[in-house]
Amino acid sequence: AQTVTQSQPEMSVQEAETVTLGCTYDTSESDYYLFWYKQPPSRQMILVIRQEAYKQQNATENRFSVNFQKAAKSFSLKISDSQLGDAAMYFCAYRRGFRPNYGGATNKLIFGTGTLLAVQP
Amino acid sequence: DAMVIQNPRYQVTQFGKPVTLSCSQTLNHNVMYWYQQKSSQAPKLLFHYYDKDFNNEADTPDNFQSRRPNTSFCFLDIRSPGLGDAAMYLCATSRTRGETQYFGPGTRLLVL
Repeated sequence: AQTVTQSQPEMSVQEAETVTLGCTYDTSESDYYLFWYKQPPSRQMILVIRQEAYKQQNATENRFSVNFQKAAKSFSLKISDSQLGDAAMYFCAYRRGFRPNYGGATNKLIFGTGTLLAVQP
Repeated sequence: DAMVIQNPRYQVTQFGKPVTLSCSQTLNHNVMYWYQQKSSQAPKLLFHYYDKDFNNEADTPDNFQSRRPNTSFCFLDIRSPGLGDAAMYLCATSRTRGETQYFGPGTRLLVL
């Protein structure tokens, strides 16, 4: 079974500084996707960034980038120039790649337990 | 804006009293999901619909049911809520299978 581990329950960063959130996963699949979702307090979960396992290049979205180490099964999120609005719970998630005969299994997001990020002014 | 809407945002029910949570979407996505997120835990998939095809997770209790009367709406029914069912319930959608999921704001359920 696939698992996702976030070993840092809480982290803190100063405004304008850089912070890296860690995530490791375990799978025997070769085709899969990894995600970082952000869940601000009392607000909906939004997708921050997505990485396809078959792509060697690390995904980037503005101030957010990932360090995807496939052999090590590591998928960390780097937030540059941290802003107060970045304060949230961050979830790392895994989903296996789509195959028609996988049926419902291909749709399942498996989440880590989250890292609560505080941004200090 | 196209979005995923959940009503109500907060729901209080009594132990054993059936409750229904609602999700609607304006994205015209084929797939709708229900996740349960207990306090300080990761969200956990309960089931999902691919169009009208219902897919239940193996470890979802029988107490939880779902209905999808049309593309836009999906309901989560808890037949006899227990104290352990208190959680945030998240609805998500994706355009089709294997595509990015978009979440609603969630409904926080309290069981008294």
